[in-house]
Amino acid sequence: DQQVKQNSPSLSVQEGRISILNCDYTNSMFDYFLWYKKYPAEGPTFLISISSIKDKNEDGRFTVFLNKSAKHLSLHIVPSQPGDSAVYFCAASDPGTYKYIFGTGTRLKVLA
Amino acid sequence: GAGVSQSPSNKVTEKGKDVELRCDPISGHTALYWYRQSLGQGLEFLIYFQGNSAPDKSGLPSDRFSAERTGGSVSTLTIQRTQQEDSAVYLCASSLEAAVTEAFFGQGTRLTVV
Repeated sequence: DQQVKQNSPSLSVQEGRISILNCDYTNSMFDYFLWYKKYPAEGPTFLISISSIKDKNEDGRFTVFLNKSAKHLSLHIVPSQPGDSAVYFCAASDPGTYKYIFGTGTRLKVLA
Repeated sequence: GAGVSQSPSNKVTEKGKDVELRCDPISGHTALYWYRQSLGQGLEFLIYFQGNSAPDKSGLPSDRFSAERTGGSVSTLTIQRTQQEDSAVYLCASSLEAAVTEAFFGQGTRLTVV
């Protein structure tokens, strides 16, 4: 039973354009959400997070939006760069179990 | 150290042997997590430590898997009588506080059981 879902396994975007990665979750008790980037043969790298009391958090080219009523979050990367090509995981923290629950990832390819 | 350190980076072992994977978390981080990523899959939760205690062992796939953490710092994940399906990248992460701050990952240990 997948509590955090990333329904798009892959996404291709032209350099300079916006990349939008989506994530849905099922548990309304989740209260903290994170995005990670993963290159091959490396561990995931933390990108940006958002608390459930906010609906937007921005850090440079990365913005995360949270829609609690829809149980949906998205990561926007503007402008996209070839170095952004990686697998992106969204994660949610479960305050009941203290786990970080991850989605299955979206592979982003930014085309030069 | 500055980040989470895992050793070894790569481990090839014969089926049936025991292996030990080590994780050195970021100093001062109270929470420590083990995940694994099998080929083409997402991150599967294995176990979580708060200090030296493991309140949640529900993710361990079988009783061949065990983990401990000592001194609120180093953790070892032990897999006994390894099987080919244990082949995966084992990732360790630590966070300042469980589930309310970001978790930082090590580079992982790639385990191959032949």
